[in-house]
Parts: sequence; C-alpha cells; structure tokens
Amino acid sequence: AQTVTQSQPEMSVQEAETVTLSCTYDTSESDYYLFWYKQPPSRQMILVIRQEAYKQQNATENRFSVNFQKAAKSFSLKISDSQLGDAAMYFCARGDDKIIFGKGTRLHILP
Amino acid sequence: GAVVSQHPSWVICKSGTSVKIECRSLDFQATTMFWYRQFPKQSLMLMATSNEGSKATYEQGVEKDKFLINHASLTLSTLTVTSAHPEDSSFYICSASGLAGYEQYFGPGTRLTVT
Repeated sequence: AQTVTQSQPEMSVQEAETVTLSCTYDTSESDYYLFWYKQPPSRQMILVIRQEAYKQQNATENRFSVNFQKAAKSFSLKISDSQLGDAAMYFCARGDDKIIFGKGTRLHILP
Repeated sequence: GAVVSQHPSWVICKSGTSVKIECRSLDFQATTMFWYRQFPKQSLMLMATSNEGSKATYEQGVEKDKFLINHASLTLSTLTVTSAHPEDSSFYICSASGLAGYEQYFGPGTRLTVT
C-alpha cells in the first residue's frame, strides 16, 4: 500500500519559535505531488504548501517552507515565527490522481 | 476563487432513512470530485472519486450501494447515504479539482448524526 506517515501525533512550540513537522511517504510513481494541509477547529481543510516531485527546489510560502528529500521520500514542514493562529491539525499528503493523507500532527502553540 | 460549498453543514437523521449531501464548485468547473470521511481525531479517508458523467470509483471497503455518488454536472456532486445507521455518523468532506488537475479544493464538510 502506498502510505503517508506522520510520526509525531502532537507537537508544541513556543510562540515566535520555529517548529518542524515530519512526514515520509511511499510511492512507486515518478510524477506526483506533495501537500501540507492545515485543519483548524472549523475543520475546513486549508492548503498550506505544495511541492511538485519533479522540482528539486523546496517550496516556500511566507513563514512555511518544506524540506523535500525525494530519494529518502521525506517531506517535512517548517513553520517559522509560529503564531497562535497556526495551532491546528496538520496533514501531510501525497497526490497524483487522488490524494492520500497521513494521520496528522496536532500542533499546539504556547503563548 | 476556487470555492467549494457543501450543503447541509449539519444533518441529523433517524436510523433507516436516507440523507443526501451536496457538493458544489462555485466558481470553476470540477472535472473530478472526491468524497472523504473523517472520524473524530482521525485523518481523512477517501471514499470515492467521481468524474462528471461517469460512475464513481469507490475505494476498497466502501459500500457503493450504501454511499451513492452522482456527479451529474461540472459543478455538482451528491453523496447519498442510504438506510443510514448510527455507525454512519461522521464528518463527510468533499473536494473538487479541475483548475490545475492535481490540486483539490475542499468543501467545509458536513456533519452527519444518525440517531
């Protein structure tokens, strides 16, 4: 089975600090996409960042950046200058014709 | 842009009845729509993929006769839970793709409670 693994069920970070969420995945495809989604208490899924597997350059969106290691099938998310509004469930996902989600990491921001 | 709506946002139904959930892409044509189920404190589980005008493709273990999916137009897909039972109570989320092909836009979800 092609899976997405998030090994950290919960994490906490002090406000304004940096935190990294881990994700590994398994795929036999050569062309695919990787995503990080945020799900706040409202449960609306929000796309945080995406990475095309054929691109070597790591994607960046403001305070959010990824470390994409294709050979290792690793796709971690770094959140810089953490804010209280970043508190949410974060899901790593792999996609081609459909998206497969990891089990999620609940991120707590400590004031 | 790329807004997806779901209706209703919350529904309560009696055991044995059927309930229909609508998913609409408001400002783009969705060639493909996806239906997910999410139990409390768990991840999203893909139930089925539907393409406009075609039969839905169900994931392994999902009963296609229980969860009827119709994708009649490029902006509307419906999920009907037939003969609902309490174990069908869950949060159902739809998503739609069509703009860039690989990216999915998610609806706000529907909370189903079967009593």
